Amino acid sequence: NAGVTQTPKFQVLKTGQSMTLQCAQDMNHEYMSWYRQDPGMGLRLIHYSVGAGITDQGEVPNGYNVSRSTTEDFPLRLLSAAPSQTSVYFCASIKRGTGHGELFFGEGSRLTVL
Amino acid sequence: AQTVTQSQPEMSVQEAETVTLSCTYDTSESDYYLFWYKQPPSRQMILVIRQEAYKQQNATENRFSVNFQKAAKSFSLKISDSQLGDAAMYFCAYRSPPTSGTYKYIFGTGTRLKVLA
Repeated sequence: NAGVTQTPKFQVLKTGQSMTLQCAQDMNHEYMSWYRQDPGMGLRLIHYSVGAGITDQGEVPNGYNVSRSTTEDFPLRLLSAAPSQTSVYFCASIKRGTGHGELFFGEGSRLTVL
Repeated sequence: AQTVTQSQPEMSVQEAETVTLSCTYDTSESDYYLFWYKQPPSRQMILVIRQEAYKQQNATENRFSVNFQKAAKSFSLKISDSQLGDAAMYFCAYRSPPTSGTYKYIFGTGTRLKVLA
């Protein structure tokens, strides 16, 4: 059971470039989300999805796009990378209605924008 | 709005000793979850312990236990018999009751724990 898989683990971009962070989960979780982690700021929600075809904005959505065409996949797109988007990104999921409540995280992706 | 506060940016503990990490939160809800996550240098977020707000009994997982004070909105983590492998960043997190299938998680800013040999 792979859990939540993120790729790539590391990426360096130049300002203005675009890229997609991939996230896949094999646990049949309806809820998926993207967070960014910055020093001294904890984890902040970027976008989330409660199921295929449904997405919504989180706390810091500007500069990011998402889509959810399948239950398994939830890619995060940076359309025109900026240095302010240098961060560690986490994909996380949870099964709706679960009695335990915790998020399952991917291993994180470190993005550097020069 | 819900908030989670970790007032200790960094803590140190001697190996085999006990350390307590503090977390306070603010919410008007009565039914919610609280978590402690560990983030070692590998960057992976690892669930340490969870607490359901409706349960009065404090959660325990081996050397890890919590002191959950619902009225005071406090959720501290106690690590007993500290080991070198406990060195990590620890995040306190709050999860609100589901609304329209959506879960709202709020994370604290983290406490970096150093374990001294």
